[in-house]
Amino acid sequence: DAGVIQSPRHEVTEMGQEVTLRCKPISGHNSLFWYRQTMMRGLELLIYFNNNVPIDDSGMPEDRFSAKMPNASFSTLKIQPSEPRDSAVYFCASSLGTSGITEQFFGPGTRLTVL
Amino acid sequence: KQEVTQIPAALSVPEGENLVLNCSFTDSAIYNLQWFRQDPGKGLTSLLLIQSSQREQTSGRLNASLDKSSGRSTLYIAASQPGDSATYLCAVFQGAQKLVFGQGTRLTINP
Repeated sequence: DAGVIQSPRHEVTEMGQEVTLRCKPISGHNSLFWYRQTMMRGLELLIYFNNNVPIDDSGMPEDRFSAKMPNASFSTLKIQPSEPRDSAVYFCASSLGTSGITEQFFGPGTRLTVL
Repeated sequence: KQEVTQIPAALSVPEGENLVLNCSFTDSAIYNLQWFRQDPGKGLTSLLLIQSSQREQTSGRLNASLDKSSGRSTLYIAASQPGDSATYLCAVFQGAQKLVFGQGTRLTINP
C-alpha cells in the first residue's frame, strides 16, 4: 500500500494568493482528516470527513479555509487568500472509521510558506 | 476542553538504556489513545493504539500503558537504539475520531 499521499510536499507562495493542498487517502479508508502543525500550537485537527461528508469543521481557523472531498480517493484543503500566519505543515490522515474508533495513518505533510 | 501534556519535553540518554515517556490528559472520558513518532521533517508514524478497554499494548521493544482513571499513559522503550531518536507524540481520542495531541517528547539516543 502506498499510504496516504499528499501534494505538493512544499509550497511557497505570496500573501494573498490561493493555495490548494491535495490528499489521497489509503484505499478502503472512509475517514479523512486534515491537521495543521506549528511550533506554537502543535498539531491541531482542522476538519474531518466520513464517507466524503464533512463531519466536524470546528477546527478550521476562519472562512479563508475550505475543504472538499469529492470522492473517496481525493480531498483538497484550500486557503484563499493566504496569509503569512498560515505558514505551517499541513497533514492529511485517514482511517477505516466505520467499525468504530480506529488507528489514524498520516501522510508526509505539505510544508507551506506564505511570504 | 481536553488537554494533553507530555513530560519531559526533551530527553537524552545513552544507547542501551530503558526509558519511559509520560503522557497525561485532563479528561479521563477518552475512547482510545495512540502513540506516534515523528522524525525531523517527516510525517507521523503510528506506533501503538490502546483501546479504552485495554491497559497496555506491546509492539517489539515498545510497551504502552493506559490508566484512564488517573489520566495517564506511558510509553516504555526497551534497550534504546540511536534509530529511536525522534519526537514521540501522544494523542487521545476525544469522541469517536477526534485526536487531541500533546506537544511531544524529543528523544535523543546517544551512541
